[in-house]
Amino acid sequence: EDQVTQSPEALRLQEGESSSLNCSYTVSGLRGLFWYRQDPGKGPEFLFTLYSAGEEKEKERLKATLTKKESFLHITAPKPEDSATYLCAAYMYSGGGADGLTFGKGTHLIIQP
Amino acid sequence: KAGVTQTPRYLIKTRGQQVTLSCSPISGHRSVSWYQQTPGQGLQFLFEYFSETQRNKGNFPGRFSGRQFSNSRSEMNVSTLELGDSALYLCASSRTGTGLVDGYTFGSGTRLTVV
Repeated sequence: EDQVTQSPEALRLQEGESSSLNCSYTVSGLRGLFWYRQDPGKGPEFLFTLYSAGEEKEKERLKATLTKKESFLHITAPKPEDSATYLCAAYMYSGGGADGLTFGKGTHLIIQP
Repeated sequence: KAGVTQTPRYLIKTRGQQVTLSCSPISGHRSVSWYQQTPGQGLQFLFEYFSETQRNKGNFPGRFSGRQFSNSRSEMNVSTLELGDSALYLCASSRTGTGLVDGYTFGSGTRLTVV
């Protein structure tokens, strides 16, 4: 069964304390690995898409990387406004058509001032 | 530019009733996907439409259905509501139809409560 697992479920950091969020996946036919940020009461906000092992993408204090089994979201010197739930999702494509996004359950990140 | 618009934002329905949710994608986007988000299961794929055709469906009962109109607007319908259908229903649109190039843009969702 295709699965996406995120860890930790929750993470509390001090402002400026860098860390990484993990997303491991066991899917066949992976076409892309997405990262989203979700704030309370809102829909997920697109951050990155990674397509192949070894790929890296950066945006402000965030850097996403991809291996054949995992993806990491590195947060460097976070600020309180980075507090949110971070979701990863795998996009698969089978012979019958697009299979939609399979999401992990997210990491709830809190950055304390 | 306008984002993905979902209406209504909140709904309260009684068990056994049916409900219709609406999604207007970003102008020019032809793909619309629907997801259910609950605290226990997270985000789960319901179905995807492209140019008025359902391309794929997730593992949900037949009570969940949808459609897409010629202007790309989409509706989803849930019949014979159950308490477990209480969730945030999210719609996402994509220009290319796969989301691999431009990602999927999500709306803010419709919060459905079944009592």
